Amino acid sequence: EDQVTQSPEALRLQEGESSSLNCSYTVSGLRGLFWYRQDPGKGPEFLFTLYSAGEEKEKERLKATLTKKESFLHITAPKPEDSATYLCAVLTQGGSEKLVFGKGMKLTVNP
Amino acid sequence: DSGVTQTPKHLITATGQRVTLRCSPRSGDLSVYWYQQSLDQGLQFLIQYYNGEERAKGNILERFSAQQFPDLHSELNLSSLELGDSALYFCASSSSRTAPTDTQYFGPGTRLTVL
Repeated sequence: EDQVTQSPEALRLQEGESSSLNCSYTVSGLRGLFWYRQDPGKGPEFLFTLYSAGEEKEKERLKATLTKKESFLHITAPKPEDSATYLCAVLTQGGSEKLVFGKGMKLTVNP
Repeated sequence: DSGVTQTPKHLITATGQRVTLRCSPRSGDLSVYWYQQSLDQGLQFLIQYYNGEERAKGNILERFSAQQFPDLHSELNLSSLELGDSALYFCASSSSRTAPTDTQYFGPGTRLTVL
């Protein structure tokens, strides 16, 4: 069964304190790995798509990387507005186009 | 703003009732996906439609059904509602039938409360 695990479940950082979020996956075949940001009561907001091991994408203070078994979302010098739940999802091979989501990681950045 | 719209924003109803959730995809997107998000389960894929036809099915209960109309908007019908159906229901859309070039863009969701 396809599985996506995110760790830690929650993370508290001080403003400016860099850290990384982990997303590990066990799937039959990876077509793409997606990172989303979700604010309370709102829909997931697309951040990145990664397709192959070694790929990296950057956007402002966020950088996503991908290996054959996991992805990292690095947050450099975070600000309070980066506080949100970060979701990782994989799109698997085999005909179905469903996204399999991890349970998310709640990030709180204190000023 | 993702360009995906969902109505209503909130829905409160009683057990045993039936409700319909509506989704309009981004302009030009042919695929529509429905997801359920509850506190303990995270986001769970329910069903996908592509250009009016069912494309993939996930953990969708038999009490739930969906359809996509010629104008590409989609409706999710939930019947014989139970307390456990209370959740956020999200619609997402993407531009073509095949991945991985596609990114799914999510709507703001409908919060369903079953009393």
